Amino acid sequence: AQSVAQPEDQVNVAEGNPLTVKCTYSVSGNPYLFWYVQYPNRGLQFLLKYITGDNLVKGSYGFEAEFNKSQTSFHLKKPSALVSDSALYFCAVRASQTGANNLFFGTGTRLTVIP
Amino acid sequence: KAGVTQTPRYLIKTRGQQVTLSCSPISGHRSVSWYQQTPGQGLQFLFEYFSETQRNKGNFPGRFSGRQFSNSRSEMNVSTLELGDSALYLCASSLSTGGSTEAFFGQGTRLTVV
Repeated sequence: AQSVAQPEDQVNVAEGNPLTVKCTYSVSGNPYLFWYVQYPNRGLQFLLKYITGDNLVKGSYGFEAEFNKSQTSFHLKKPSALVSDSALYFCAVRASQTGANNLFFGTGTRLTVIP
Repeated sequence: KAGVTQTPRYLIKTRGQQVTLSCSPISGHRSVSWYQQTPGQGLQFLFEYFSETQRNKGNFPGRFSGRQFSNSRSEMNVSTLELGDSALYLCASSLSTGGSTEAFFGQGTRLTVV
């Protein structure tokens, strides 16, 4: 079975400070991991993905994520938060072996960047 | 390049009615997936279509169905609507099915059942 956990419903950070949004996953075999962001009344926007190789993945808008196989984690990070980063963030996983295309999503973390 | 287009954006239906939602994927994308998003259940997978064939189905009752046309456009249908079907329905398109391919989402259709 595949699953994703985002342990924090809400993360608050001051503008200019680094931010981290946490994600852990459970999947049989090697995972494909994704981060998406959702702004109010909008769909999900793709940020970045991990397939294989370098554990540090860089994505859109200055975001990056670190894959840690031993901790089964894929935390989203940004060195300096902007007020415009305030949104709902979703981590998702897809198992490489199943052949199924569906993504399993976490419950989401609401990020608020305080001016 | 146009993104994923979902129509309509908003719908209000009465219990017992049926509804059809439409999704036009990004040009060249052959895989279309549907997800239901609710505050209580989060994002849940409904089904995936690739080359007009349903490839995978989530754990939803048979009232939820879908199809894909030869131009990759997809529709989903919900019959005998229930209050609990109120949700944001998201369509996602991908170049191919499975694996490392990222999905691109439309803005969704907000369905309200009264």
